Amino acid sequence: AQKVTQAQTEISVVEKEDVTLDCVYETRDTTYYLFWYKQPPSGELVFLIRRNSFDEQNEISGRYSWNFQKSTSSFNFTITASQVVDSAVYFCALRVGRGSTLGRLYFGRGTQLTVWP
Amino acid sequence: DTEVTQTPKHLVMGMTNKKSLKCEQHMGHRAMYWYKQKAKKPPELMFVYSYEKLSINESVPSRFSPECPNSSLLNLHLHALQPEDSALYLCASSQHTGGVRQPQHFGDGTRLSIL
Repeated sequence: AQKVTQAQTEISVVEKEDVTLDCVYETRDTTYYLFWYKQPPSGELVFLIRRNSFDEQNEISGRYSWNFQKSTSSFNFTITASQVVDSAVYFCALRVGRGSTLGRLYFGRGTQLTVWP
Repeated sequence: DTEVTQTPKHLVMGMTNKKSLKCEQHMGHRAMYWYKQKAKKPPELMFVYSYEKLSINESVPSRFSPECPNSSLLNLHLHALQPEDSALYLCASSQHTGGVRQPQHFGDGTRLSIL
């Protein structure tokens, strides 16, 4: 079975602080992808990044960075110098590619990030 | 701007009404999805269409009826809904269901309220 756990329900920070959102996943598949989505109040889920199970290279994109560690089954997301516009719900999701699970995204319950001015 | 367009943005309907939600994408994607999202919860998968054929139905009640008339369009027909069906309905698309690496691209959703 697949499972994604985001233990942090809500996080509040003040603008310009760094913030890390945690994601832990469970799967027995050896081939899988991990995704982060952002959902602002408008409702749309915005795709941010994906990582596959064979690529543990971490990435920095502007103020965003991701830390993928297979040894701990974690795929954490860090925002550096947070801004008010970063306020949103962030979802971590897992996708495997076999059988009846084709097409499914397994979402964590989401982390509400609020950035105060 | 999102590349997946959903209409209407908001819908209020009575329990005896019939209405439809529409979703359109022009990215050439061959997989399309309907999700239901309640407040403070993650999206829940309802239906998956692959090459215009229904491939996954997550035991959704028959008062929700999906339709994929062509590769760009996805409809969700609603009839005799219950108050607990009030939620944000999200449409998504991806290149096809078999590609594990492909992200799903989501629309803005339709906020549905059942009176």
